Amino acid sequence: AQKITQTQPGMFVQEKEAVTLDCTYDTSDPSYGLFWYKQPSSGEMIFLIYQGSYDQQNATEGRYSLNFQKARKSANLVISASQLGDSAMYFCAMSENTGGFKTIFGAGTRLFVKA
Amino acid sequence: DTEVTQTPKHLVMGMTNKKSLKCEQHMGHRAMYWYKQKAKKPPELMFVYSYEKLSINESVPSRFSPECPNSSLLNLHLHALQPEDSALYLCASSQDWGLNGAAFFGQGTRLTVV
Repeated sequence: AQKITQTQPGMFVQEKEAVTLDCTYDTSDPSYGLFWYKQPSSGEMIFLIYQGSYDQQNATEGRYSLNFQKARKSANLVISASQLGDSAMYFCAMSENTGGFKTIFGAGTRLFVKA
Repeated sequence: DTEVTQTPKHLVMGMTNKKSLKCEQHMGHRAMYWYKQKAKKPPELMFVYSYEKLSINESVPSRFSPECPNSSLLNLHLHALQPEDSALYLCASSQDWGLNGAAFFGQGTRLTVV
């Protein structure tokens, strides 16, 4: 069964600094996808970045990058040059090829950016 | 247009009421989802429709009844709910699996059952 673990309930970062949000996962399916979503207080979930299990390079999207370590089953999100608007809940999620469209989410990490 | 639109944004209903949540997407996505999210918790998958057919039901109580009238619309019919069903209900859609499986979410319906 697939499982996603986010061990950091809350994180603080100074504006303009980088921050890493941790995510580990467990699956027996060799083909899977990993996602990070941002959820501001307004409630809408916003897709940030994707990493496929067969992707050779770490994914990057603007200030977001994914530190994918397949052997360790970790997919940490790195946010560079933090901005006040980055304060939000961040969820790591995974879907397995054999799971159809089923996606499970980790518990989330609340990020606070300080001015 | 990358929007998923949900209505209403807020809903208060009694335990004997019948109401419906609506979701619409015009991105041509083939999969649509309903998630339930309690405060300070991750979203929990309820239902998945693929090509307008129900493909996943995560053992959701029958007082929640999904409907997919066409490829752009998804409804969630509510009947005889309990106060513990109060939550944020999120609709999402995605094109496919893998990178195309990235879900686009609506802003949600904040449901309160009294």
